[in-house]
Amino acid sequence: GAVVSQHPSWVICKSGTSVKIECRSLDFQATTMFWYRQFPKQSLMLMATSNEGSKATYEQGVEKDKFLINHASLTLSTLTVTSAHPEDSSFYICSAHLLLGYTFGSGTRLTVV
Amino acid sequence: GQQLNQSPQSMFIQEGEDVSMNCTSSSIFNTWLWYKQDPGEGPVLLIALYKAGELTSNGRLTAQFGITRKDSFLNISASIPSDVGIYFCAGQHTGTASKLTFGTGTRLQVTL
Repeated sequence: GAVVSQHPSWVICKSGTSVKIECRSLDFQATTMFWYRQFPKQSLMLMATSNEGSKATYEQGVEKDKFLINHASLTLSTLTVTSAHPEDSSFYICSAHLLLGYTFGSGTRLTVV
Repeated sequence: GQQLNQSPQSMFIQEGEDVSMNCTSSSIFNTWLWYKQDPGEGPVLLIALYKAGELTSNGRLTAQFGITRKDSFLNISASIPSDVGIYFCAGQHTGTASKLTFGTGTRLQVTL
């Protein structure tokens, strides 16, 4: 079946640094990918829609200059958290839309210290 | 952003019991999806519903797409320990770039 590989699975970084999270579609091409953020004991909140070859579409309240999204190929989308702060600590999950539904990555646990 | 309301928020049940949870929205969705999320993992699709009134089963799981298109329920029969996790409903509007709106989640814990 369609698999989305997300890396790293966890990362700890210092406040002020940037972190890049990768999301790859392993056996299919994904023109659209989605990035979600999930705080502890909460639901998934959509951050942005990543479109191959064009600019990402951000949800209201999500800073596009802080959460940089690049979708340069049909199999890779990246989310870079720039100048990370402790409040950015969260579980980040990517997803790809397929003909029959959506498949999710295994998530990245980001801890900013 | 919008969230769908799920109930109950959490539940403790004994192994072998049946479980029922539901999801409601103030707006209409054209597709309802049910996911299960294990700790530290991404959601995994359980059941997809595409038509109002549709009743679909997947093993011990049964889900229905409400007639009004504003709600859905998920039933789990004869629960087992591996059913532990968080269950999310998700709705999709047609024509909104395929975005999903997730429910608030139901945390299920199964005791032996």
